Amino acid sequence: EVQLVESGADLVKPGGSLRLSCAASGITFSDASMSWVRQAPGKGLEWVGHINSKTDGGTIDYAAPVKGRFTISRDDSKNTLYLHMNSLEIDDTAVYFCATSGLSHWGQGTLVTVSP
Amino acid sequence: DIQMTQSPSSLSASVGDRVTITCRASQGIRNDLGWYQQKPGRAPKRLISAASSLERGVPSRFSGSGSGTEFTLTISSLQPEDFVTYYCLQHNSYPPTFGGGTKVEIK
Repeated sequence: EVQLVESGADLVKPGGSLRLSCAASGITFSDASMSWVRQAPGKGLEWVGHINSKTDGGTIDYAAPVKGRFTISRDDSKNTLYLHMNSLEIDDTAVYFCATSGLSHWGQGTLVTVSP
Repeated sequence: DIQMTQSPSSLSASVGDRVTITCRASQGIRNDLGWYQQKPGRAPKRLISAASSLERGVPSRFSGSGSGTEFTLTISSLQPEDFVTYYCLQHNSYPPTFGGGTKVEIK
């Protein structure tokens, strides 16, 4: 069974930084492309970014609102995906989900609150 | 970016009703579309991939159709646990984009 467990939830001030983690099991993580998706309170779903597996080139793409501020990385030895968030803005407040390739399986999400 | 226009944004129905939700893409996306169900406080769950392929374990009352720019999700007979929110997602081109969601409420 695929399991994805996000962690790193916190309350941060605008301009601050935070790192989220997503621990994966039940998949061959090193072969998996992974994504981050977020959902602001009471709003819809927004794709944040994506990292391919190393065998697929390890390429990374970001949504325009986070490009230059967020960085996605992975540690295949730890079966863990990361989202490094810098220069956080109030509009980044959301539940952040990690998901497997094709957004087929999702974690339970972790809440990031950006507030003065 | 490809825009996904989902309609209606909400609907009221009764247990046993047949309902249809539509997603229109701003340009052709072949069949690169999934449908997701999201219960309050939970992660989205994919119901359908490739526009019409039912995920394993998803009840057969759910079905998807369409190709190109117009897609539908049909629930043939609403059950009490179906009164939640549904989203479409296109992954034909980057960035992947979601529809705005449809909240199915009890009449």
